[in-house]
Parts: sequence; structure tokens; C-alpha cells
Amino acid sequence: GAGVSQSPSNKVTEKGKDVELRCDPISGHTALYWYRQSLGQGLEFLIYFQGNSAPDKSGLPSDRFSAERTGGSVSTLTIQRTQQEDSAVYLCASSLDAYSYEQYFGPGTRLTVT
Amino acid sequence: KQEVTQIPAALSVPEGENLVLNCSFTDSAIYNLQWFRQDPGKGLTSLLLIQSSQREQTSGRLNASLDKSSGRSTLYIAASQPGDSATYLCAGGDSNYQLIWGAGTKLIIKP
Repeated sequence: GAGVSQSPSNKVTEKGKDVELRCDPISGHTALYWYRQSLGQGLEFLIYFQGNSAPDKSGLPSDRFSAERTGGSVSTLTIQRTQQEDSAVYLCASSLDAYSYEQYFGPGTRLTVT
Repeated sequence: KQEVTQIPAALSVPEGENLVLNCSFTDSAIYNLQWFRQDPGKGLTSLLLIQSSQREQTSGRLNASLDKSSGRSTLYIAASQPGDSATYLCAGGDSNYQLIWGAGTKLIIKP
């Protein structure tokens, strides 16, 4: 079956513009996670969804970041008024449910803010 | 607050050598410890998951150990191959089903 997919794979945007990143999880997986990975750093947790709700938004770095998930499937991460420090690889993962530690990762979206 | 550290940040060894990657964590109340592999431009692939009640897990040439009392996990790679070149990340599972990540060790296997 298909794995986790993310689009776009690469995004270059100008400072101040809004961007939308998309994640399509594995079919049947109810939990979905967003992480950010800066160059040479580990993964920074942003937000996770169980179904369509987000019990934990504590990792979102500022109010410019938001995420939604509709239909218990596809999720979008939106960054408004992008800043250069937002440049990173944004990774999405899914798991059967939020009580599983086994997460399956997508290839990521590399965001560059110029 | 759980913190996970991986040392060294990078490692280069000749093909065929056995090697050990290290991962340390500050809080022994860890639910599990996972090792992942990350290839450039690709997502992460889970290699091994050790539950808190276990001491080690093996898969092929890989063996991961967990010592909660000392706050350490190691990933042993036997008979390394150029295809093993990648970044290896460890992550500890906490009580909220979240993973706390190390920064990774970039491994290069020289032919």
C-alpha cells in the first residue's frame, strides 16, 4: 500500500508570503504528526492530530503556524508571513492511533524562505 | 524534561568495520527507545524499537540495546557496508505517546 506522501517536495518562497504544506497519511491511520527539522538538528514536534482534532498544539512555534485536518485524512500545515527562520524540512508522520509509538514518515517538504 | 543526545554528530569508517552509535537520555522513565534511519531527501525509516521492559532488539546486522538505569542506548552495526551510510536518529517515547528526538549521527561508510 501507499506510504505517507507530502507535497510539495520543495518550496521556495519570499519572506512575508504564506505557504501551505500538505500531508496525506497512510490509509486507516488515525493519528498524524507534524515535525520540523532544521539543518543539523533533531526533529522538533509541532502538532499532532487524533482524527480531526489536535489534542496537542504546544509545539507550534508561533501564531503564524496553524494546521488542520479534515475527514480524518489529509492535513495541511499553513505558515503565514513566512520568516527566514522558518526555513527547514517539514516532516509528516502517521500511526494507527495516538497510542502507538510506531510512526511512519513521509519524505518531507523542504521549505526555503528567501 | 526528557532530553536525548547523540554523540558523535558524524562518523566515518571503512567498509567492513563493526561500529557503535550512542544515544543517551536524561529521564529513565522512558517507555521505549527507537532507532531510525534517514536518507537524504527521504523520510525516516524505523529500524528497531526496544520496549522499556526489553534489553535489546536485533534485525539482521543491527543490534540495539537499552540500559534505562544508565540512560543509554546503543546501535551496533556489524560488517558495515556503503549502503549503511545515512543519518541515524534515536527517539525516546514518553508517557504522552510522544517521541523525544536526538539530533542524529551522520554515518559515512567508505568503500
